[in-house]
Amino acid sequence: EVQLVESGGGLVKPGGSLRLSCAASGFTFSSYSMNWVRQAPGKGLEWVSSISSSSSYIYYADSVKGRFTISRDNAKNSLYLQMNSLRAEDTAVYYCARDSFSGYGAARQAYFDYWGQGTLVTVSS
Amino acid sequence: SYELTQPPSVSVSPGQTARITCSGDALPKKYPYWYQQKSGQAPVLVIYEDSKRPSGIPERFSGSSSGTMATLTISGAQVEDEADYYCYSTDSSGNRVFGGGTKLTVL
Repeated sequence: EVQLVESGGGLVKPGGSLRLSCAASGFTFSSYSMNWVRQAPGKGLEWVSSISSSSSYIYYADSVKGRFTISRDNAKNSLYLQMNSLRAEDTAVYYCARDSFSGYGAARQAYFDYWGQGTLVTVSS
Repeated sequence: SYELTQPPSVSVSPGQTARITCSGDALPKKYPYWYQQKSGQAPVLVIYEDSKRPSGIPERFSGSSSGTMATLTISGAQVEDEADYYCYSTDSSGNRVFGGGTKLTVL
């Protein structure tokens, strides 16, 4: 059974830093791209960042570029998100999500097939 | 930037058919996907590649697409289907986008 368990959320002051972790089990972690997706209170889903299976390809949403860093440790089956220079608008539940792909070549398309339960990050003074 | 547009809310009575739409310019060339999110829970994939159901998803959930519009249909909606539903897709550059979400009320 695929399991994704996030941790590391909490209350942090504006300008502060936080590191989120996601522990994966039930699948071959090193074979899958992984993502962070967030959801502000009462709002919709927002993709934050993606990392390929070998960390060769990394992508960020414009809203977090330059402040957040995604990484992974395949030996520990773990995904991370280092969040610096946090702002009030970063307040959200952060979900770890596994990637799957459909199509081939130019039609290849990524989507999220499994999600963790999320960890809440609150940025407030 | 690319947008997927959903109605904010849909309401049906138990046993009726609920239809939730999602419009986007890239949908003729990119698959839509649908996620169900019940209150306080993580999203769950209910439809992928336009119309396929993951294992464990009831048959009453189906998906279709025509031109720039995708539709999630719940045939014979049940009270336990009450949730927020999000469509998801990518644009021509591979950028990942969610629709704004639709709150489905079944009462």
